[in-house]
Amino acid sequence: AQTVTQSQPEMSVQEAETVTLSCTYDTSENNYYLFWYKQPPSRQMILVIRQEAYKQQNATENRFSVNFQKAAKSFSLKISDSQLGDTAMYFCAFMKQGASNFGNEKLTFGTGTRLTIIP
Amino acid sequence: NAGVTQTPKFQVLKTGQSMTLQCAQDMNHNSMYWYRQDPGMGLRLIYYSASEGTTDKGEVPNGYNVSRLNKREFSLRLESAAPSQTSVYFCASKHRFNEKLFFGSGTQLSVL
Repeated sequence: AQTVTQSQPEMSVQEAETVTLSCTYDTSENNYYLFWYKQPPSRQMILVIRQEAYKQQNATENRFSVNFQKAAKSFSLKISDSQLGDTAMYFCAFMKQGASNFGNEKLTFGTGTRLTIIP
Repeated sequence: NAGVTQTPKFQVLKTGQSMTLQCAQDMNHNSMYWYRQDPGMGLRLIYYSASEGTTDKGEVPNGYNVSRLNKREFSLRLESAAPSQTSVYFCASKHRFNEKLFFGSGTQLSVL
C-alpha cells in the first residue's frame, strides 16, 4: 500500500514571499501520478498541479511549481509571490497508474498542510 | 456544467439513525469514489466504483454501504449512524483514461 506523508501541519508566510510545502511518499510502483490539491475555507477541492512519474521535468502552473525527486520519493510544492487567496489546506496525493486503465485507480492523500498568507 | 453534485450539504443525525448521501455526475465518468475527511487525517477512501455495476472497499469501509445505481449515480448509506462517523464526506469521479479526479462540494455530517 502507498503512503503519503506531509510533515508540516501548519505554515505561514508573508504575502509576496515564496513558500515550500513538503511531501514524501512510499511506493514500490514505478508508474504513478502525484498531485497537489488546494482546499480553501469553502471546502472545495481544487487541483493545483500534477506530475507524472515518468517525466523528469518538474511541472509548473503559473506561480506553482514542484520539485519532484523520484529516487528520494519527494514531491514538494513551491508557491512564488504568495497571495492572500493562497490561504488554504494543501494536500499531497498519490495515484498508481493502472496498467490497463480499468478505472480502479485510487487517490491516496497526505494529512495536509494548513497554509496561512499574512498580509 | 454541474460536474459532481452531492446532496445534502449538511445533515445532523442521532446515533442509530440511517441516511443515504447522494452523488451524481454529468461528465460520463466511469469511476466514482466516496471519501471522508477528518481533522488531521486528510481524505480517506471509503468505497469506490470502477464502473457501473462494480463496487470495492477502500481504506475505511466499516459502517457504510454503497450502491452504483447507474453510470451517473453513486450513493453512500449509513445504516446505523455512530458519532465516529461525524465527518465531511466527498464524492468524486474520473474518466477511465484520465487521472484527474473531480470532487463534489462535500457533505458535513454530524452524528450526535
